[in-house]
Amino acid sequence: AQSVAQPEDQVNVAEGNPLTVKCTYSVSGNPYLFWYVQYPNRGLQFLLKYITGDNLVKGSYGFEAEFNKSQTSFHLKKPSALVSDSALYFCAVTRREGYSTLTFGKGTMLLVSP
Amino acid sequence: DADVTQTPRNRITKTGKRIMLECSQTKGHDRMYWYRQDPGLGLRLIYYSFDVKDINKGEISDGYSVSRQAQAKFSLSLESAIPNQTALYFCATSDRGGIYNEQFFGPGTRLTVL
Repeated sequence: AQSVAQPEDQVNVAEGNPLTVKCTYSVSGNPYLFWYVQYPNRGLQFLLKYITGDNLVKGSYGFEAEFNKSQTSFHLKKPSALVSDSALYFCAVTRREGYSTLTFGKGTMLLVSP
Repeated sequence: DADVTQTPRNRITKTGKRIMLECSQTKGHDRMYWYRQDPGLGLRLIYYSFDVKDINKGEISDGYSVSRQAQAKFSLSLESAIPNQTALYFCATSDRGGIYNEQFFGPGTRLTVL
């Protein structure tokens, strides 16, 4: 079985400050990891993914994520938050070996204040 | 993503009614998925299809059925709707690369069962 934990229901940060949205995962074998963002009344949009290689992955809108195998984590980060980053963020995992469906976390609401 | 459309966008129905949610895509992808989103539970997979002749159950398929009418169309049916099927439903697509490539989501259908 595979699972994703997003320990924070909500993250609050002031505009211009760095942000981190946490994600830990459990999967048998090696993981493929994803971050998606959902703006109000919209579907999910892909932000970035980790497949293999460099542990620091850069994605859309200035976001990046760091894969840490020993801690089974894939935290989403951005050096300077914008009010427009306020949205619901989902982490997702699947295993690299063979086919497996994508398992999503419960989501973390990011609120960036002006 | 305008390449993945869902109809209707909103639907209110009564317990016991049959309802169909439709999904169409112009991305030319082989793989299509149906998810439901509930507050605090994230996205859960209902059914997925790798091509017209391949239908697979997901994590929460009970009470649902699907039909893949063509490569571009994937419908979700609730044969006899019940109130705990009230949720936001998303259709998604991915290409033959499957999980290695990101999934593209439709705008969602908000279903309320009274």
